[in-house]
Amino acid sequence: EIVLTQSPATLSLSPGERATLSCRASQSVSSYLAWYQQKPGQAPRLLIYDASNRATGIPARFSGSGSGTDFTLTISSLEPEDFAVYYCQQRSNWPLTFGPGTKVDIE
Amino acid sequence: EVQLVESGGGLVQPGGSLRLSCAASGFTFSSYAMHWVRQAPGKELEYVSAISSNGDSTYYANSVKGRFTISRDNSKNTLYLQMGSLRAEDMAVYHCARWGSGGYYDYWGQGTLVTVSS
Repeated sequence: EIVLTQSPATLSLSPGERATLSCRASQSVSSYLAWYQQKPGQAPRLLIYDASNRATGIPARFSGSGSGTDFTLTISSLEPEDFAVYYCQQRSNWPLTFGPGTKVDIE
Repeated sequence: EVQLVESGGGLVQPGGSLRLSCAASGFTFSSYAMHWVRQAPGKELEYVSAISSNGDSTYYANSVKGRFTISRDNSKNTLYLQMGSLRAEDMAVYHCARWGSGGYYDYWGQGTLVTVSS
């Protein structure tokens, strides 16, 4: 099973700042990695798929990069609605696995 | 608009059974594989089970294999998860999710809470 590790666990930032979230895989997942956003009491929302492709309707301030074992989600300028938990997920190998999440909260 | 609405969660005793349902609308249900993903309180998301678009193929996480059964009724646009021999570690919010053509979860339901306790 591929283990995904996310860092940091919590990121405290202010609106307008840049957020950089990391996801590391225990073995190569090629580019088969997605990022999801989840707000309290809501379903997760797909942001990025195949490491760097924005999902439909996702603002351009969200971008993804990386391949192999190291991936990054960047939010270029945080909007108030971006404060949430972000999960990475790989589909390279079964079982599908998720990372433990990074919480982006308001400083 | 794509909608996935889960139901059937509740309180069940250890060793008990429960059937979850997921009503789908806003898309051609029979064209998509569907999954169940759960999230225990304060924990990360965990893949539980998957079913192909026509229901012929099913897949399970090792943690639920032999205890849970996934199924679907394409005539009713509904996904099911029959859960048996429930354990405390099965307690979670269970989400149904559409497996998009790109190979990721492109739509999710809000989830239904399963509590396992005596």
